[in-house]
Amino acid sequence: AQKVTQAQTEISVVEKEDVTLDCVYETRDTTYYLFWYKQPPSGELVFLIRRNSFDEQNEISGRYSWNFQKSTSSFNFTITASQVVDSAVYFCALSSPQGGSEKLVFGKGMKLTVNP
Amino acid sequence: DGGITQSPKYLFRKEGQNVTLSCEQNLNHDAMYWYRQDPGQGLRLIYYSQIVNDFQKGDIAEGYSVSREKKESFPLTVTSAQKNPTAFYLCASSTRRRRSFSGNTIYFGEGSWLTVV
Repeated sequence: AQKVTQAQTEISVVEKEDVTLDCVYETRDTTYYLFWYKQPPSGELVFLIRRNSFDEQNEISGRYSWNFQKSTSSFNFTITASQVVDSAVYFCALSSPQGGSEKLVFGKGMKLTVNP
Repeated sequence: DGGITQSPKYLFRKEGQNVTLSCEQNLNHDAMYWYRQDPGQGLRLIYYSQIVNDFQKGDIAEGYSVSREKKESFPLTVTSAQKNPTAFYLCASSTRRRRSFSGNTIYFGEGSWLTVV
């Protein structure tokens, strides 16, 4: 079965703090893709990153970084020096052949509040 | 600008009524999806379509219906059979490779809020 677990439901930090959002996934497939999306209060899901199962290099994009570890089935997301604009709900998602072509299985999301 | 347009943003439904949510995309994507989001929950797949005139049920299709007569359009009807329709509905689309799994990125519209009154 496919499953994505975001154990944290809500985190509150003060601006400029670093924050890490955890994501643990389950799949029997060897080829799969992992995603992170941001959902601001407006509601639209904004795509942040896509990573395939064969690429374990960590990635950095500005204040965002992602740590993919197949050994622990985790794909964690870190925001460095958080800002108020980072306040949103963040979703981790998994796409694999077992789940059906191009479909996404989502975690329940983690609400991040960054206070000034 | 290219994107996915959902309408209306807010919709109220009376008990026993069917309502239709519109979704249009101009990204030239083959695949389209409908997800439902409830407070504090992740997104759950209602229906998806990988090609015109074809669609499949997702995890929570009961009480919903869709059509895919045009590549750019994938309307969702919430029927009176859906017992708890109040939710946030998100339409999405992606490209699709026909022969192999490619985990293409799925892009989302701005969503529609449906409330039963």
